[in-house]
Amino acid sequence: KQEVTQIPAALSVPEGENLVLNCSFTDSAIYNLQWFRQDPGKGLTSLLLIQSSQREQTSGRLNASLDKSSGRSTLYIAASQPGDSATYLCAVSDDYKLSFGAGTTVTVRA
Amino acid sequence: DGGITQSPKYLFRKEGQNVTLSCEQNLNHDAMYWYRQDPGQGLRLIYYSQIVNDFQKGDIAEGYSVSREKKESFPLTVTSAQKNPTAFYLCASSIDRQTQLFFGSGTQLSVL
Repeated sequence: KQEVTQIPAALSVPEGENLVLNCSFTDSAIYNLQWFRQDPGKGLTSLLLIQSSQREQTSGRLNASLDKSSGRSTLYIAASQPGDSATYLCAVSDDYKLSFGAGTTVTVRA
Repeated sequence: DGGITQSPKYLFRKEGQNVTLSCEQNLNHDAMYWYRQDPGQGLRLIYYSQIVNDFQKGDIAEGYSVSREKKESFPLTVTSAQKNPTAFYLCASSIDRQTQLFFGSGTQLSVL
C-alpha cells in the first residue's frame, strides 16, 4: 500500500523567504505526482502535476521536482508572500487512485 | 464557467438517516471521485468512477454508496451504516488517470 508522508506538518516563515516543502512516498511505481493547495474550509486547487517520466515542473514562483527512484518530491515557492499561507498537499497516482499526504500548513508572516 | 459544484456546503445527519451529497461537473471529464478528509489526515478515497454506469470502491467504501447515471453527476449517499460520518467530503474529476484532478469546494457533514 502506498504511503505518502509530508514533513514538517507546519511551517512559519517571514515574507520574502523561499519555501521548501517535502513529500516522500513508499512505492515508486507511480503515474504522476501532484501538488495541491488548500485554504481553510475549501476544496483543493491543483498547483503542479509531474508525470512519472519528468524530473520537474515550473509555474511562476513554483517549482516541483520528482525523484522517483528515491520516492521524493520537493515543492519550492520563491519569495513567499502572505497570500501563500495555506496547506499544501502532495498526492501520488497509482492507476486511478491518488494517495495523499496529510499536508504541510504554511504561514507566511508579513 | 467550467468547474465542479458540490451541494450543500453544510449538511447535518440525524441518527439512522441516509443523506445524499451532490456533485456536478461541466468539464466533460470521464473520471469522478469522492474523497473524505478528516482533520490532520490526508484525503481518503471512498469511490471513483472511470465512466458512466461504472464505479469502483476506494479504500473506505463501507457505509457509502454512489451512482453514475450521467457523465456530469456523481452523487454520494452516506448511509446509516456509516457510524462515524462527520468529515469534510470532496468531489473531484479528471479527464483520465494521468491528468490533473479538479476539486469541488466540499461539503461539511456533521451528526446531530
